[in-house]
Amino acid sequence: DIQMTQSPSSLSASVGDRVTITCRASQSISSYLNWYQQKPGKAPHLLIYAASSLQSGVPSRFSGSGSGTDFTLTISSLQPEDFATYYCQQSYSAPRFGQGTKVEIK
Amino acid sequence: QLQLQESGPGLVKPSETLSLTCTVSGDSITSSSYYWGCIRQPPGKGLEWIGSIYFSGSTYYNPSLKSRVTISVDTSKNQFSLKLSSVTAADTAVYYCARGTYYYDSSGSLRPYYFDYWGQGTLVTVSS
Repeated sequence: DIQMTQSPSSLSASVGDRVTITCRASQSISSYLNWYQQKPGKAPHLLIYAASSLQSGVPSRFSGSGSGTDFTLTISSLQPEDFATYYCQQSYSAPRFGQGTKVEIK
Repeated sequence: QLQLQESGPGLVKPSETLSLTCTVSGDSITSSSYYWGCIRQPPGKGLEWIGSIYFSGSTYYNPSLKSRVTISVDTSKNQFSLKLSSVTAADTAVYYCARGTYYYDSSGSLRPYYFDYWGQGTLVTVSS
């Protein structure tokens, strides 16, 4: 059973900041790692798939990197609409999500 | 424009079976390119994948829920359905339907990859 651990669990940042969220898998998952954004009361929205591929329509300020066990989601310049909770999800085995990282306004 | 709509009872009694139907519009559920899935989220908590189904009826379930889960597809209605038996309060959650892509693992089995379209979700409460 592959465990996914995100850090931090929450962070405070200002508009324009560069934000990095980390996701670590308990064993190697190659590049089978996806990232989602979820706003309160809404369904999750796919941002990045296969560790670093940007989903169509997602702003280029979002980027993903990593392989094996360590992955990062970076927002290059935080915008007001980016305040949300972010989840990683591995698909190397039965899909499993990280516990989430809440990005709040500083 | 693809849309997924969840429907079903909002309240289920403990020990009974939760039933949820996902209706797909704007795309055919028989598309060979996609895998259809159910994901849930308890109030204030994270996301849990429940299971996925291909239009052929091939399924893949979360091992922790496998003994209680059945997902089926009705291609004539462009729908897929979730049944979760013997529910408890721990099954209270917002239940989502989603479209996903897939890949073939080393044994040649279909495996869900990522979920690119989601329904709005429906809250199901387990309570007497």
